[in-house]
Amino acid sequence: ETGVTQTPRHLVMGMTNKKSLKCEQHLGHNAMYWYKQSAKKPLELMFVYNFKEQTENNSVPSRFSPECPNSSHLFLHLHTLQPEDSALYLCASSQDRGSGRAIGGELFFGEGSRLTVL
Amino acid sequence: AQSVTQLGSHVSVSEGALVLLRCNYSSSVPPYLFWYVQYPNQGLQLLLKYTSAATLVKGINGFEAEFKKSETSFHLTKPSAHMSDAAEYFCAVSGSSGYALNFGKGTSLLVTP
Repeated sequence: ETGVTQTPRHLVMGMTNKKSLKCEQHLGHNAMYWYKQSAKKPLELMFVYNFKEQTENNSVPSRFSPECPNSSHLFLHLHTLQPEDSALYLCASSQDRGSGRAIGGELFFGEGSRLTVL
Repeated sequence: AQSVTQLGSHVSVSEGALVLLRCNYSSSVPPYLFWYVQYPNQGLQLLLKYTSAATLVKGINGFEAEFKKSETSFHLTKPSAHMSDAAEYFCAVSGSSGYALNFGKGTSLLVTP
């Protein structure tokens, strides 16, 4: 496996279900991100983890709960979601050089998990 | 706060024609700027980036972009469009947190025969 892998690629869930999205990066990076991509809206940054510590939470509802057990894995736990939460959830990683800016600045993205909430 | 604005949510060009996708940025610090491409049902792939070196940046698939501080612009160009260039293109700037990126709304490029 190379790059950033996300599972599942597609998920359909009811509003009362509990599910999780998984992200794994094989690039040796130390920062990981969750972005939400909805139709006709810009990519929304949800969470940032740097050295396994959550460094940013962009006012995301508590029905989304991130978990970063180590620098290679990132989860997004989903509980009692709403239909408007249907979107493509993108995971990304980067190498933070410690000065607050990623080396080269770029993020490496997975292919996303397409979530549909019924 | 750092932000980008992409002018035109849809751009249509003929195969072989010049591609020009516009991006203007706002940043209180010297910006890092990026162009990403997204093909259907896929994640984002980096096309090119500007990180304060040469102002004319060359990327993959024949794309290039020029950083113009006086115009706060970072437009993406390609001399001759291919059908395979049809995709969604995103401009991004390094965010205020330093390493997260702030994205524009995207421009959908359509290439017609």
